[in-house]
Amino acid sequence: NAGVTQTPKFRILKIGQSMTLQCTQDMNHNYMYWYRQDPGMGLKLIYYSVGAGITDKGEVPNGYNVSRSTTEDFPLRLELAAPSQTSVYFCASRSIGTGGETQYFGPGTRLLVL
Amino acid sequence: AQSVTQLGSHVSVSEGALVLLRCNYSSSVPPYLFWYVQYPNQGLQLLLKYTSAATLVKGINGFEAEFKKSETSFHLTKPSAHMSDAAEYFCAVTMNSGYSTLTFGKGTMLLVSP
Repeated sequence: NAGVTQTPKFRILKIGQSMTLQCTQDMNHNYMYWYRQDPGMGLKLIYYSVGAGITDKGEVPNGYNVSRSTTEDFPLRLELAAPSQTSVYFCASRSIGTGGETQYFGPGTRLLVL
Repeated sequence: AQSVTQLGSHVSVSEGALVLLRCNYSSSVPPYLFWYVQYPNQGLQLLLKYTSAATLVKGINGFEAEFKKSETSFHLTKPSAHMSDAAEYFCAVTMNSGYSTLTFGKGTMLLVSP
C-alpha cells in the first residue's frame, strides 16, 4: 500500500511554461485535495474532488486546473507558470464520511518558477 | 466559516521540558479538530484528532490535546520533549459535513535544544 504518491519531487519552470503535477492514491478514497504551502502561511486549498468527474475550487484556485477521470488520479495543471506559483504542492486524500476522517498526504512537489 | 489561529510561529524548549503548542479555532458548528506534524522535506502526518468523542485525545509519539469548547481551544502537549520532536506542527479544523474541507493554521515550528 503506497498511500499517496506525487511526481515529480522537484521541478524548475520558466515563466509562461506549463506542467502537470501528478497525484495517485491506492486507498480507494473518494475525496482528494491539492494544497500549496508557502513559508509561514500554512496550507492553502487549491482544488478538491469528492469523486471521479466532480471537482470544486478551494481558497486559491487562480492559475490552476484539475481533472478527476478516475478514483485514483487527481492531476493539477499549471497553464502559464508565474513566479507567484513557486511553492510546495501537496496532494491528499480521505475516505468518504462526515468530515472527521484522516487526510493522508503525499510527500510533496517542490516547484520553482523563474 | 471556520478558521484556526496558532499562537507563536516558533516555540523553543529544552530536551525533557514540557511542550505546549497553542491552537484556537472558530467554527459556526461543532468542529472536528486535527493536529498534523511535518518533518523537514516530508508531507504531513496525523498526530491526533478530535471527532466529538472524548475531549482529551491521545496521539502518536506521546502527544495529547484537549478540546475545550468554552475556550475554543485545542492545545497540543507533551510532558517531555525529545530531540526527534523538532518539526513543524499544524492545527486544522473542519465542520461536521461530508463535503467539508480542512482549514489549516499557519503552523508552529518546534525547536528542541539539548
